[in-house]
Amino acid sequence: DAGVIQSPRHEVTEMGQEVTLRCKPISGHDYLFWYRQTMMRGLELLIYFNNNVPIDDSGMPEDRFSAKMPNASFSTLKIQPSEPRDSAVYFCASSFRQVWNEQFFGPGTRLTVL
Amino acid sequence: KQEVTQIPAALSVPEGENLVLNCSFTDSAIYNLQWFRQDPGKGLTSLLLIQSSQREQTSGRLNASLDKSSGRSTLYIAASQPGDSATYLCAVRRDNTDKLIFGTGTRLQVFP
Repeated sequence: DAGVIQSPRHEVTEMGQEVTLRCKPISGHDYLFWYRQTMMRGLELLIYFNNNVPIDDSGMPEDRFSAKMPNASFSTLKIQPSEPRDSAVYFCASSFRQVWNEQFFGPGTRLTVL
Repeated sequence: KQEVTQIPAALSVPEGENLVLNCSFTDSAIYNLQWFRQDPGKGLTSLLLIQSSQREQTSGRLNASLDKSSGRSTLYIAASQPGDSATYLCAVRRDNTDKLIFGTGTRLQVFP
């Protein structure tokens, strides 16, 4: 298996622009998680899905952030409009309930908002 | 509220030493605990997962133990190598939730 795939790996954008991050989970996994990592706050869970349904979005910082999972093999995290304080590394992870929900992470997208 | 603490925050040791990294959590009602490794600029790699009913898990030179009642887990690295240099994170999953709560990590450097 190729593991969790994220794109793009790096994104540089200007304040106010829309940013879309993409994730392909491991085939067969039924959970998908979006995290954000910064030096100041460490790893934060933003939102997670089970069987394509959003279960908990309490970590989404504000309405500028939205996430979708239209099918079992694809998810997006969108920021509109982006702000400099959104600069961070965004990780996607997936897991399978039948294997104790051990989470496997993608390589991350490093976002810089100027 | 579950809080996860890792001590020390950073560790620098010569190659060949046996190491112990510590993880403590405030709420003992956990479902499992997972140890990860993160290399600079990379994602997290799962190392070991311990179920709440287990006492330890082993993979190669790594051994993770869990004492749920005291809220502690340790990651033991035998015969450390420079390639072990990375940040090590522990994360706990509470009962009746699918979320992981992460510690702040221990940054390990093993020098030749």
